[in-house]
Amino acid sequence: NAGVTQTPKFRILKIGQSMTLQCTQDMNHNYMYWYRQDPGMGLKLIYYSVGAGITDKGEVPNGYNVSRSTTEDFPLRLELAAPSQTSVYFCASRDRDRGTSEAFFGQGTRLTVV
Amino acid sequence: GNSVTQMEGPVTLSEEAFLTINCTYTATGYPSLFWYVQYPGEGLQLLLKATKADDKGSNKGFEATYRKETTSFHLEKGSVQVSDSAVYFCALRNSGGSNYKLTFGKGTLLTVNP
Repeated sequence: NAGVTQTPKFRILKIGQSMTLQCTQDMNHNYMYWYRQDPGMGLKLIYYSVGAGITDKGEVPNGYNVSRSTTEDFPLRLELAAPSQTSVYFCASRDRDRGTSEAFFGQGTRLTVV
Repeated sequence: GNSVTQMEGPVTLSEEAFLTINCTYTATGYPSLFWYVQYPGEGLQLLLKATKADDKGSNKGFEATYRKETTSFHLEKGSVQVSDSAVYFCALRNSGGSNYKLTFGKGTLLTVNP
């Protein structure tokens, strides 16, 4: 049972480069999320999706883009990497319900922009 | 809007000591409350949850009671172990129309020494 799988686990980018963080879940969950985790700051929501073809901005969407062409995949795109995007990124998914179900998290992608 | 305030860390305890990590929240309606744990190098995983007032969530010796009158969900454990060393996050999600998002506290780092 794979759950939520993120790739890559680590990446170093130069300023101005672009990359895609991959996220796949095999639980047929409708809801998927991207968070970033900065030291001492908890988790901030970047983007979320309530189903294939539907995405919406979270608290800190600037500098990122997402797409949701299938239920399973929710990639996060960084177009012009900046040092402020150095962080640990977590993808999560959750079943559709009234709000009581737990979210399942991937193991994270540690990104450094230099 | 929703917010979660949890005890600032880090917290350092000796093995078998009693643990309390305070968590209070602000939310509209009747949120579900969660504690997530993040072990070193891993993603977040659900520790326990409570979905209505006076519910007690429990798991692995940890407990937390949903107190609507004090808007609190404090995490407790009677006797901590070295293996409990991790970052603990309190979180909430509304049960109403905007139930997509999890709102996290900033996290509390717990270190348990032998």
